[in-house]
Amino acid sequence: NAGVTQTPKFRILKIGQSMTLQCTQDMNHNYMYWYRQDPGMGLKLIYYSVGAGITDKGEVPNGYNVSRSTTEDFPLRLELAAPSQTSVYFCASNPGTEAIGQYFGPGTRLTVT
Amino acid sequence: DAKTTQPTSMDCAEGRAANLPCNHSTISGNEYVYWYRQIHSQGPQYIIHGLKNNETNEMASLIITEDRKSSTLILPHATLRDTAVYYCIVRVTSGTYKYIFGTGTRLKVLA
Repeated sequence: NAGVTQTPKFRILKIGQSMTLQCTQDMNHNYMYWYRQDPGMGLKLIYYSVGAGITDKGEVPNGYNVSRSTTEDFPLRLELAAPSQTSVYFCASNPGTEAIGQYFGPGTRLTVT
Repeated sequence: DAKTTQPTSMDCAEGRAANLPCNHSTISGNEYVYWYRQIHSQGPQYIIHGLKNNETNEMASLIITEDRKSSTLILPHATLRDTAVYYCIVRVTSGTYKYIFGTGTRLKVLA
């Protein structure tokens, strides 16, 4: 199993541009999450999904959109990128049981200039 | 909403036990406590979790107080590779699989 994969690894955006961060997991997990981590800070939950077609907001959803059309994929869309969205973005998944922790991807480092 | 509190940073001598505390006084009912660590800028790595009883695996031990308001992660023989940020987390509200990570404890293992 590849686990949780994220693309791209790095990206530089200009202010106002849009992009989609991709996240895929091959473990058939129901729950998927998007976090952002600013330099020197902890992780903040952006959005999460409990299954295909169901998403919900986390702590910091403004400026982002998500969709979950399949169990495997959970893309994060940035519309009108702003410098405040410069961060490292992590995707994670969990089978939907409290007996197992979350599996994290390697992250996408995004810079908006 | 449940939340956790951890010290900002700790140092530990190589080969000694590292004891990382976490306060989760607002934890409810049958909620698990989870520990993760993040080495440099990699994705967080799951370490261990527990409910009421103490737990041990190949990476660490977890001691949970009887009232479940706090816990301690123990790395029995810390190595330089254990230098990382350690996060203690609980579910935000019972019945959801939504987790809030705080700022964690930055553990530095000293040679």
